[in-house]
This record gives sequence, C-alpha cells and structure tokens, in this order.
Amino acid sequence: ETGVTQSPTHLIKTRGQQVTLRCSSQSGHNTVSWYQQALGQGPQFIFQYYREEENGRGNFPPRFSGLQFPNYSSELNVNALELDDSALYLCASSLGEQGTDTFGSGTRLTVV
Amino acid sequence: AQSVTQPDIHITVSEGASLELRCNYSYGATPYLFWYVQSPGQGLQLLLKYFSGDTLVQGIKGFEAEFKRSQSSFNLRKPSVHWSDAAEYFCAVDFSGGGADGLTFGKGTHLIIQP
Repeated sequence: ETGVTQSPTHLIKTRGQQVTLRCSSQSGHNTVSWYQQALGQGPQFIFQYYREEENGRGNFPPRFSGLQFPNYSSELNVNALELDDSALYLCASSLGEQGTDTFGSGTRLTVV
Repeated sequence: AQSVTQPDIHITVSEGASLELRCNYSYGATPYLFWYVQSPGQGLQLLLKYFSGDTLVQGIKGFEAEFKRSQSSFNLRKPSVHWSDAAEYFCAVDFSGGGADGLTFGKGTHLIIQP
C-alpha cells in the first residue's frame, strides 16, 4: 500500500502571494489533517477534513483554507502569505475520525 | 490551555545505553497518547500509542512507553539505543479522545547518540 504523498517537496513564495499544497492520502484512508511545523518546534494542528467537510480546526486564521476531494486527496491553500508562514507543512491521513494519523514527508515552504 | 511538555530539549546517550524521554500533559481525563520520531527532512513516524488498557505499551524499534495517570506522564523508554535512533522525538496528545481537534505536540527532544 502507498503511504501519504505530498507535493511539492519544496517551495519558495513571496510575501503576499498565495500557495496551494497537495496531499494524497494513504490507500483506504478517508480523513486528512494538516499541520504546520515551524523550525525547531512541534507540529501545530491546522484543520481536519472528513468526507470532504472540514470537521475540526486549530488556531489558524481564515486565510488558511482547504479542500478534500472525493478520492480523499486534499489541498491546503494559504492566502496573503506572511514571513511567519515559512514552515514544514505536514499532511496526515487516517481511517475515520478516530484513526491514527499516518504522516507524509511534508512540504517545506519558504516565504521571502 | 491544554499543553504537552517535553522538558528535555536535547539528550545525549552513549550507544548501547538505556534511554528515557519524558512527556507530561495537562488534562484531567485520559486522552489518547502518542510518540512519533522524525529524522531530518522527513515526516513523522509513529512509534507507539496508548488509548486504554495496559499502561505499558510496546512499539516499533524496541521502544516502549508507560502511562502514569497520577503523574499525567507518558515517558518513552528503550533499554539499549543504536546509532540509528538519533532523531527528533515528539510526544503528542489527542485531548478530545478521538475527536476532530487534532493532535497537540510537545516541542520535541533531540536525541544524540555518542559512539
């Protein structure tokens, strides 16, 4: 079975721009969660999608938004990028809302 | 606010020696508890998890962890470390007990293995 795949692996954007990060969940998993990991910190929960609906959200502003598609893949969109958005963005998938997360390798976003 | 504390930022251990990484969390009920490992430039790999039952949990790569309700702790142990264990270790807690609030992570402990 394939694991969680994220693209791109690295990305450089300019402050004020918009970015879209993509995630393919592990086969059979229907729940996707996104986390932001700043350098030297633990990951922070952004939001979770289950059956194409956002069903949980951490302490992140509305300019962080997402989508989940019928095949359970997902996108994270960030508008009006700020320098502090520079981080490793991790996607995790699980089976059901109470499943254990399987993490991808992440997308390293640098905002300049 | 709910929080997870890993009091040791760095730990240095000689190869073959035993290891204990500490984790404490703030909450009254019994949350779901996890330990993940992260190698440089990589995602997180699950080492073990505790939901209920036996408070001593066995994981992959020879790791184990013990849940102590009275101390709100979930410490990770390994009897004999290998050079390949050098990595960042994160304790994580699901305070909603399987809900949709995601995991709360500690800041991590960087494990260094001395030859």
